[in-house]
Amino acid sequence: AQSVTQLDSQVPVFEEAPVELRCNYSSSVSVYLFWYVQYPNQGLQLLLKYLSGSTLVESINGFEAEFNKSQTSFHLRKPSVHISDTAEYFCAVSGGAAGGYNKLIFGAGTRLAVHP
Amino acid sequence: NAGVTQTPKFQVLKTGQSMTLQCAQDMNHNSMYWYRQDPGMGLRLIYYSASEGTTDKGEVPNGYNVSRLNKREFSLRLESAAPSQTSVYFCASSGGLYSNQPQHFGDGTRLSIL
Repeated sequence: AQSVTQLDSQVPVFEEAPVELRCNYSSSVSVYLFWYVQYPNQGLQLLLKYLSGSTLVESINGFEAEFNKSQTSFHLRKPSVHISDTAEYFCAVSGGAAGGYNKLIFGAGTRLAVHP
Repeated sequence: NAGVTQTPKFQVLKTGQSMTLQCAQDMNHNSMYWYRQDPGMGLRLIYYSASEGTTDKGEVPNGYNVSRLNKREFSLRLESAAPSQTSVYFCASSGGLYSNQPQHFGDGTRLSIL
């Protein structure tokens, strides 16, 4: 069975500092990996995804994540955060089941708090 | 574009009352999903619909029923609400039941059962 572990429930950081949100997954087969962001009182929005090809994927607002198959990780990073990045971030995994059923398994979430 | 629309946004119920949460998508997606979000637990799948006319149980289906009314609409019903069903409910849709297709989420329904 697949599972996702987000290693930090909360990450406080000062504005313009770098940040890393950690995500590890377990699966015996190939997977697809996603990061979603949830702003207060909103639904989840897709931030970035790894499907195949380059192991480094980027979002339009400066986040990036690297797929590391040997360490079964998909950590999210940003070199300089803004106040507007304050949100909850969810790592999710899918794939591997026969027929490729799109069942997303979510981590528990990491709350990023950016302080001035 | 509206994307995925959920109604209502907030609701308070008494134990034992029934209620239907509505969800509609305008992206011509085949597959739709219902999740619940509880603190520290991420999102858990309640039911999903691969395509119009089909529904299947997810991880936590007990106490819920669903109806895929047409391609656009997928409703979630609580027949006899219990305090344990206090949660934020999210509807999502995707192009199809393929693992590489991202899901698109509504803004959620915040439900309190007293």
